[in-house]
Amino acid sequence: QQQVKQSPQSLIVQKGGISIINCAYENTAFDYFPWYQQFPGKGPALLIAIRPDVSEKKEGRFTISFNKSAKQFSLHIMDSQPGDSATYFCAADSWGKLQFGAGTQVVVTP
Amino acid sequence: NAGVTQTPKFQVLKTGQSMTLQCAQDMNHNSMYWYRQDPGMGLRLIYYSASEGTTDKGEVPNGYNVSRLNKREFSLRLESAAPSQTSVYFCASSEARPGEQYFGPGTRLTVT
Repeated sequence: QQQVKQSPQSLIVQKGGISIINCAYENTAFDYFPWYQQFPGKGPALLIAIRPDVSEKKEGRFTISFNKSAKQFSLHIMDSQPGDSATYFCAADSWGKLQFGAGTQVVVTP
Repeated sequence: NAGVTQTPKFQVLKTGQSMTLQCAQDMNHNSMYWYRQDPGMGLRLIYYSASEGTTDKGEVPNGYNVSRLNKREFSLRLESAAPSQTSVYFCASSEARPGEQYFGPGTRLTVT
């Protein structure tokens, strides 16, 4: 069973808009939550990550929001650009195996 | 630095054939991983190696074997390929923790 549930499966956003991807987990042993970005034909690449002792982390146009009590976290892509079109995976780590969500395909239209 | 390299990039096999996917990393990482990626299922861990000389099963190990040849190289072997093994295979490595993995470019495998 998938230990990290990710939604939506896909989303289309206009250039300049905000893309929001949500993830939820059950295992409270997870203590590191990375997001990976994957372009077609390439391997995933680490984009941004957060630890559960902070509620928000921002790097450029990418922000992770983390709600420990709800066991949910989300990725916000501000001012979305066509170059952001990719598949995004959330993940969770407990110094064991990394558990991935199913992925969200983001398409940014010009 | 090349990072994580994988060979081959593409492969077509007939059912029952065998093959080995090669992976090498030049970042001196201790841990290495093999994943398969299928549409709508994310990345599923096949096998991993936390350090040279050790290997462990992941979520979907059936039909696969691995060898951690040395610190740099981690190979994945399909002994008798099946159509259900048609997938894109990724190798990855990490140093500090599993959450910070570096992925190779992938091998697209088709089994007919």
